Amino acid sequence: AQSVTQLGSHVSVSEGALVLLRCNYSSSVPPYLFWYVQYPNQGLQLLLKYTTGATLVKGINGFEAEFKKSETSFHLTKPSAHMSDAAEYFCAVSSDSGGYQKVTFGTGTKLQVIP
Amino acid sequence: SQTIHQWPATLVQPVGSPLSLECTVEGTSNPNLYWYRQAAGRGLQLLFYSVGIGQISSEVPQNLSASRPQDRQFILSSKKLLLSDSGFYLCAWSTIGGGNQPQHFGDGTRLSIL
Repeated sequence: AQSVTQLGSHVSVSEGALVLLRCNYSSSVPPYLFWYVQYPNQGLQLLLKYTTGATLVKGINGFEAEFKKSETSFHLTKPSAHMSDAAEYFCAVSSDSGGYQKVTFGTGTKLQVIP
Repeated sequence: SQTIHQWPATLVQPVGSPLSLECTVEGTSNPNLYWYRQAAGRGLQLLFYSVGIGQISSEVPQNLSASRPQDRQFILSSKKLLLSDSGFYLCAWSTIGGGNQPQHFGDGTRLSIL
């Protein structure tokens, strides 16, 4: 069984401030972890992923996330928020399941950037 | 490069009417295909997935069905829509291989039932 918890359905930051979106996961097997971003009335776009290897992964638009096994966390960060970062962010955990990819998504965090 | 197309972008339907949403993928072969429904504040719920032509698996019992008549075509249908079928429907694809592959999403269909 696998699950994802995103703390905070809404997060507000000032433009130029640090962005921190929290994600904790539960998985019975070594997890594959993803962050996706969704802009209004659009589909989800991959920001970054962790599969194996380096625990600090870098993604698009200056975002990065660190896999911490001991804390079962995969928090998303960006040093300096930009207005264009306002969107909804989804953390996801994935596993192999009989030939297809079973993905469990968190409930999402809406990021507001205040000018 | 690979692309995924969903249509229509928006749809308003009366209760009891039929539904057909279509999704096609270009630039890849034999993808895994998925239909999700997204409700506000509830994340994404997997409705159906397909690992090949004619192979459909349902994750939750519901008023909807899915079909995959061609390798890169995935259709979501209903014979009679319910008010509870309103939502944002997303199609996605991934390469066959395993859980380490990301999913790639279409731009979705916003369905409103009156």
